[in-house]
Order: sequence, then C-alpha cells, then structure tokens
Amino acid sequence: DAKTTQPNSMESNEEEPVHLPCNHSTISGTDYIHWYRQLPSQGPEYVIHGLTSNVNNRMASLAIAEDRKSSTLILHRATLRDAAVYYCIPERNTDKLIFGTGTRLQVFP
Amino acid sequence: DAGITQSPRHKVTETGTPVTLRCHQTENHRYMYWYRQDPGHGLRLIHYSYGVKDTDKGEVSDGYSVSRSKTEDFLLTLESATSSQTSVYFCAISESIYGYTFGSGTRLTVV
Repeated sequence: DAKTTQPNSMESNEEEPVHLPCNHSTISGTDYIHWYRQLPSQGPEYVIHGLTSNVNNRMASLAIAEDRKSSTLILHRATLRDAAVYYCIPERNTDKLIFGTGTRLQVFP
Repeated sequence: DAGITQSPRHKVTETGTPVTLRCHQTENHRYMYWYRQDPGHGLRLIHYSYGVKDTDKGEVSDGYSVSRSKTEDFLLTLESATSSQTSVYFCAISESIYGYTFGSGTRLTVV
C-alpha cells in the first residue's frame, strides 16, 4: 500500500493561491492520485484525480511530479469556503479508498 | 448530498445495546462503504459492499457487521455497542473508484 505524507495544517489568505503538497514515494505505476476535501461538519467530497499528467477542473488543478513520488493540489484563488481538510489518496488499484489524516487548510479574510 | 441518505442523523445509545445505521441511495451505484471518523484518525474504512450480498471487511471491522439485501440499502450493525464506537459514521457510494459521494454522517454516542 502506498503511504502518503501531508502537512498537518496550512494557512492562506483569501484570494491567494494555495499549494497543498503530498508525498507518495511508494506509489505504484498504475495508482491514480485522488484528492478529496472535507468541509466542517460535512462528509468528504471529491476534488480531482490524475495519473501522470497535470489535471485541471473547475475546483482545482493537480500537478504531478515526473517521477510520481509527489503531487500538489493547487487552489488558484482561495476563498473562505475552501477552508477544509484535504486528503491525498493514492489508489491501490482495488475497489476502496483508504483515507489518511489530511491537511487542514485555514483561509483568512 | 442528493442521492444518498443516512439515518438516523444522531443517536445516543447505551453500552451493550444493538444499533443499526442505515445508508440509502437512489443512484443505483454498485459500491457502498461505511467509514468512521474520530479525532486524530481521519476516516477509517469499516466495511464495504461491491454488490447485493457481496461485502468485505475494511481496516476497522471488529465489532461491526453489515448487510446489503438490496442495491439501494447498506446497513451497519453494532451488535453490542461499546463506548469506543462513539464516532461519526459516514456512508459513501460509487460506481467505480473514481468519485465517491458521501452522506452527511451519523453522529453516534454510546453512553
């Protein structure tokens, strides 16, 4: 199973870009990298996923290192609503996702 | 979230009593999951199902059982609740591993 390392917490100011790092040095070649976030008092929600190339959607961008041992979730302009716990999850090529403890992002006005 | 409902939303029960939590979906997704969330532990997978009557254990399955007799319902049962099972329980559904949808959670307190 691929192990992940994420900072426990990060801070940002509103309207600034945020780069959330994740190390997954033991990832296998066929594992996708998934990102979820959990807003206060809610269940997690899907953010983005990717395999090798950088990915963009309406919520965020995902930058994946060339060696795939790390990735970065990019929020281009943080809002107060982006304050949440962000989870980086390498897929284990099975039918379930295992969550870690994630990074708690605080956004200040 | 639309398409997935957990019940009850809150429950207080006594140690030693049986408790059943229900997850109901209207999306006809194949996969359903039960997670628990505790401070300092993030989300931990309890059990999951990959079809009617097809279930498997997760990371923390001891003390829990599940059943799925219909595609839309996934039940989590604590046969004899203990204080260590006080937690917030989340159900999730997916059609594949890409893109889980989570319910709003059930806060269970065992006194």
